[in-house]
Order: sequence, then structure tokens, then C-alpha cells
Amino acid sequence: DAGITQSPRHKVTETGTPVTLRCHQTENHRYMYWYRQDPGHGLRLIHYSYGVKDTDKGEVSDGYSVSRSKTEDFLLTLESATSSQTSVYFCAISESFFTENTEAFFGQGTRLTVV
Amino acid sequence: KNEVEQSPQNLTAQEGEFITINCSYSVGISALHWLQQHPGGGIVSLFMLSSGKKKHGRLIATINIQEKHSSLHITASHPRDSAVYICAVKETSGSRLTFGEGTQLTVNP
Repeated sequence: DAGITQSPRHKVTETGTPVTLRCHQTENHRYMYWYRQDPGHGLRLIHYSYGVKDTDKGEVSDGYSVSRSKTEDFLLTLESATSSQTSVYFCAISESFFTENTEAFFGQGTRLTVV
Repeated sequence: KNEVEQSPQNLTAQEGEFITINCSYSVGISALHWLQQHPGGGIVSLFMLSSGKKKHGRLIATINIQEKHSSLHITASHPRDSAVYICAVKETSGSRLTFGEGTQLTVNP
């Protein structure tokens, strides 16, 4: 299994509080991604990183920020959590952008509940 | 309308049956991925392909670029194949993967 760890695995937080999710990899892959998974939707990209301090927005980035100060860590922050951000969050890594020959490795997911 | 449509949404089969899950997409793509999500939530990559067919054990993935369609087949299905199967496409012009909603497969003993 690829070395990719998400923490925490479960979290319940109150509306308006800041929340940070961590993704840690031991594969030295260049690209890291944060997705959210909700019923009725496929996985949707929040933000991604293509190197240390290099990040870009995905399709559902509003309300989220990210940081990557080291190759191995990619942090997702909800500055002020809202109920609409209740979801399961997945981190993924890949050596390069997705092509026929680029496999993506996913973390186990973080279930976040905002009450 | 989603750019990636999977069918069926839910599928129940008896052990040993041949299973087909379909994925249709509406955009030009450079690659298509099939993923498996187990009941515990973990997601693993099964196949990446841009043409033809690939086979891993009892799993076979095919793609028809002209028809914008891919299928995932499972031969001699087993209860441990029970999972959500997800199709994702890499658009030719874009830099991200677009995911289908997934097909929930249940294989009964």
C-alpha cells in the first residue's frame, strides 16, 4: 500500500470553528489533492498541489484553504466551518498529472461533521 | 447532466455471476480510471486506460474512445468484490479528474 495517511479519521466540530485536516505521504510524490465525497456527487476536487508552496484551486474551493510547506504534508483548512462542509474528505497523491500511466493513491478518508 | 455517467447505480448479483458496470462520458479524454471503494471507505486504483482493454485477474476494463464509453467486467464474482466502483476521466483539455457517482455492487453468497 502507498504510504498516505490522513488525520484525523473522524471529527465533529461546531459551526464557525476552524478545522485543519492533514495528509501525510511517504512516497515523495509531487502532486497532492484534496477531494470531498458527498451523496449524489462524484468525488470533487477542492484544491491540489504540484509542489512545495505551489497550489491551485479545484472546482469546489470556496471556504477552503490549503498549504504545503513540505513535500510530504498537505493541509486542508476550513477557516470557519459550515454545515455544508459536512462530508468525507479524501487526500490523494500521484507522481505526475493524471494520464494513462499515472496511478493515483488515496488516503482512507476523514469523516467531518459540522454541527 | 454529469460529464461522467455510470450505470447501473446499484447492482446485486449472486456469487459466480458475470458483472458489467458501464461508464459514459461527454468530453474528450486522454485517460480513464476505474477505482474501487471498499465499505471501510478506502479507495484503490484498479485500471488506467486510454484505449483497448486491460485485464487484472478476474477484472477486465475496456474503452471505446469513439463511443465515449468504458465498461468494467468482473468474471466469477465473489462476495469480496462487493464495493463501490468509480469511473473517472482525465479531460484532454483540463488538468483534473472528473468522477462518476459510482456503482454500488453487492455480491451475495
